[in-house]
Formats: sequence, C-alpha cells, structure tokens
Amino acid sequence: DAGITQSPRHKVTETGTPVTLRCHQTENHRYMYWYRQDPGHGLRLIHYSYGVKDTDKGEVSDGYSVSRSKTEDFLLTLESATSSQTSVYFCAISESGAANTEAFFGQGTRLTVV
Amino acid sequence: QQQVKQSPQSLIVQKGGIPIINCAYENTAFDYFPWYQQFPGKGPALLIAIRPDVSEKKEGRFTISFNKSAKQFSLHIMDSQPGDSATYFCAARVGGSQGNLIFGKGTKLSVKP
Repeated sequence: DAGITQSPRHKVTETGTPVTLRCHQTENHRYMYWYRQDPGHGLRLIHYSYGVKDTDKGEVSDGYSVSRSKTEDFLLTLESATSSQTSVYFCAISESGAANTEAFFGQGTRLTVV
Repeated sequence: QQQVKQSPQSLIVQKGGIPIINCAYENTAFDYFPWYQQFPGKGPALLIAIRPDVSEKKEGRFTISFNKSAKQFSLHIMDSQPGDSATYFCAARVGGSQGNLIFGKGTKLSVKP
C-alpha cells in the first residue's frame, strides 16, 4: 500500500458534534482528496487539495471543511455532524493532477453519526 | 455531463466465466479511464486504465474495451476466479492541472467456485 494513514479507522459520534478525520501521507504527493462512499452512490468527491493551503470543493462539499497546513496532512472536518454524514470516508493521494496519474487510496474511516 | 454510468450493480458468475462490466460517459473532455478494484474493508486500488486513443488494453486476465464514438468502455475478466470477487469501479478524469476522478457507482462481482 502507498504510505497513506487514515485516523481514526472507526468513529461513532453524536449528531451536532464536530468531527475531524485525518489523512497522513509519506509519499510527498502534491494532490490529496477526500471521498465518501455510500451504497448505491459509489465514491463521491468531497474536497481536494492541490498544495499546502490550496483546497477546492468537490461534488458533495456541503457540511464539510478541509485544511492542509503541511504537505503530508489533510484534515476533513464535519462542523456539526448529521446522520446523513454516516459513511465510509476515503483519503486519496496523487503525484500530480495530470489525467493519467494514479490515485492511491487509504484504508478508509467508518463514521457513524447517531 | 460529469457522470459516469456503470452497470450492472451486481454480477454473479461461475468460476471460469467472463464477467463484463459496462460504463458510459457524456463528457468528451474525459481523457483517462481507470478501473478500480475494492475488497471488503479496503480502499480501492487501481486495476487497469486506458486512454481514449486506444481501443483495447490487456493486463493479465483483465481487458478494457473502449469505444470512443459510443462513449462507452467496459471491463472483461477472463477465466474469473473466486479471488476476483470484489467491487469494481470505473472512473473518468479530465486532463489538466485539477482534473478529478469521477467514479461510477460500482459493480459488486461474485465469482462462485
């Protein structure tokens, strides 16, 4: 596996609480992504980063924010968790934004909002 | 325009069969079409990929067929094995500095012994 570590791997939280998921990479790749995976929806992009402090929204960004203060870390924050944010979250990295650049995925974080 | 439509949602084949998974797209700016394989509890991993200037690509038992005029591409798994049981995602990406992967909804493949 590429050097990607997601933490925590599992989390249960209550509705209305803030939650932060962390993605840490050791590959020094420029691009980092957060996806959510839900049955029947595949993988949907939440936010991505193309450099330190450079981030942009993806397809399903409402209710999420991100930060990238170092090349190796990309944080995803749910400001006030809702049950609709129960999902499996994947971080991915890629060396560049070129079309044929491989994206490597982490192991995922399973988040349950009760 | 940004969607990638994948079918079927699930597929059951016998060992040795040739499962075929199909994907279709609308955005002609897509420039890269990878397939990802995901086992339960794991993240997706790149299986095979193709560019639109090629009509077919083979890697081992996995083949992508690409029809640019129809805007369709498909994954064929030759001599399928129980170990191939996984969820498969097609994806597409626009070239350029910030092209992001757009995924299909996935196909859950089960290969029976």
